[in-house]
Amino acid sequence: ETGVTQTPRHLVMGMTNKKSLKCEQHLGHNAMYWYKQSAKKPLELMFVYSLEERVENNSVPSRFSPECPNSSHLFLHLHTLQPEDSALYLCASSQYSQGYGNTIYFGEGSWLTVV
Amino acid sequence: EDQVTQSPEALRLQEGESSSLNCSYTVSGLRGLFWYRQDPGKGPEFLFTLYSAGEEKEKERLKATLTKKESFLHITAPKPEDSATYLCAVVSGNTGKLIFGQGTTLQVKP
Repeated sequence: ETGVTQTPRHLVMGMTNKKSLKCEQHLGHNAMYWYKQSAKKPLELMFVYSLEERVENNSVPSRFSPECPNSSHLFLHLHTLQPEDSALYLCASSQYSQGYGNTIYFGEGSWLTVV
Repeated sequence: EDQVTQSPEALRLQEGESSSLNCSYTVSGLRGLFWYRQDPGKGPEFLFTLYSAGEEKEKERLKATLTKKESFLHITAPKPEDSATYLCAVVSGNTGKLIFGQGTTLQVKP
């Protein structure tokens, strides 16, 4: 139990579907993140939210749309994805969005397969 | 440019055979170096944070050390349950961003 819960754990969707990934953190943190993990590649930071405001968007295609309604919840809305978007999507949280000694804690991830 | 490189990419050990994983980094103003363990199909699990050269941290069979250019994760007398991918990440003093290496996949055979 990491304190960061992601649902669903597995998702298969067609290229024309719309789906959402959900993340909830129970650690009282102020920052939340979406990362993408593909085979043989380092974790890629997608979005950072601090106190419910988006503070970073790492040139992510618009078919990925994040939403942070409060400091405990984070969503990633998915639409018209491509097969190359198939990956493990990791939600994470930390006390602050950047800075010294800021440990990031990850959820278990959502495996996404686009067919 | 901030960069993190881990070696080897994969490591196979016999149970009880001690070894070390390497994490070399190039960042402006290190604000922390992190080690994570990741089991297949799961998210990374936090292990250690190191802040300054000479610092060491231990947890069971794992010991992390830090110099000005690299960090080592020493595994003493590993067991099969230590099999996982170990990720290294550093916080850049310039950007405040957490930069990950590609990881080292460790397999410990009984």
